[in-house]
Amino acid sequence: AQKITQTQPGMFVQEKEAVTLDCTYDTSDPSYGLFWYKQPSSGEMIFLIYQGSYDQQNATEGRYSLNFQKARKSANLVISASQLGDSAMYFCAMREGGSGAGSYQLTFGKGTKLSVIP
Amino acid sequence: EAGVVQSPRYKIIEKKQPVAFWCNPISGHNTLYWYLQNLGQGPELLIRYENEEAVDDSQLPKDRFSAERLKGVDSTLKIQPAELGDSAVYLCASSHSGGQPRTDTQYFGPGTRLTVL
Repeated sequence: AQKITQTQPGMFVQEKEAVTLDCTYDTSDPSYGLFWYKQPSSGEMIFLIYQGSYDQQNATEGRYSLNFQKARKSANLVISASQLGDSAMYFCAMREGGSGAGSYQLTFGKGTKLSVIP
Repeated sequence: EAGVVQSPRYKIIEKKQPVAFWCNPISGHNTLYWYLQNLGQGPELLIRYENEEAVDDSQLPKDRFSAERLKGVDSTLKIQPAELGDSAVYLCASSHSGGQPRTDTQYFGPGTRLTVL
């Protein structure tokens, strides 16, 4: 079974509008982290936002916020006030395992291509 | 602060030829990762280093792929011989292990796009 599912291969949004990119995940581990990365056409994966499974509040980073619904196992990315530079691939990823010592494997979804229309 | 550096950015080779990719992680990051990204897919882990030790290489095709991180800093990923199906983007990432969850965030380099003809 897919651990990370991104059901929207492509999305369009008007400049200055908000957009939500969907991500659902599957894990039996009580301790996990969820990440969103942006990959522009240049190829680099840019870290956007992180949500830990025990975090009480939804994560926010500037124009990015994460709508974390633990019971539904969803971690949707919300981008407010879209800009032309937001056009890129967006990947949701999960890291299972403790958040202490050691880093763990990231499992990525297939991504969503966001196009911002002027 | 400098990010993860990778070279070359692009490489075109003929099948059966060897190829090597180089990665220099963010200063102070003890964990280094090599990922493979096929077209239209998310990255998949090939190997993870903690300092000099390869702690997870279960997904590295060891018949043709090898990697090293001799001094616990920069790393080289090699393919010998390359096959047509190896055409992909090879991404390197690094993180600082042992801190708070945010410090375990993996930061990626720009990748090497390999084309095997």
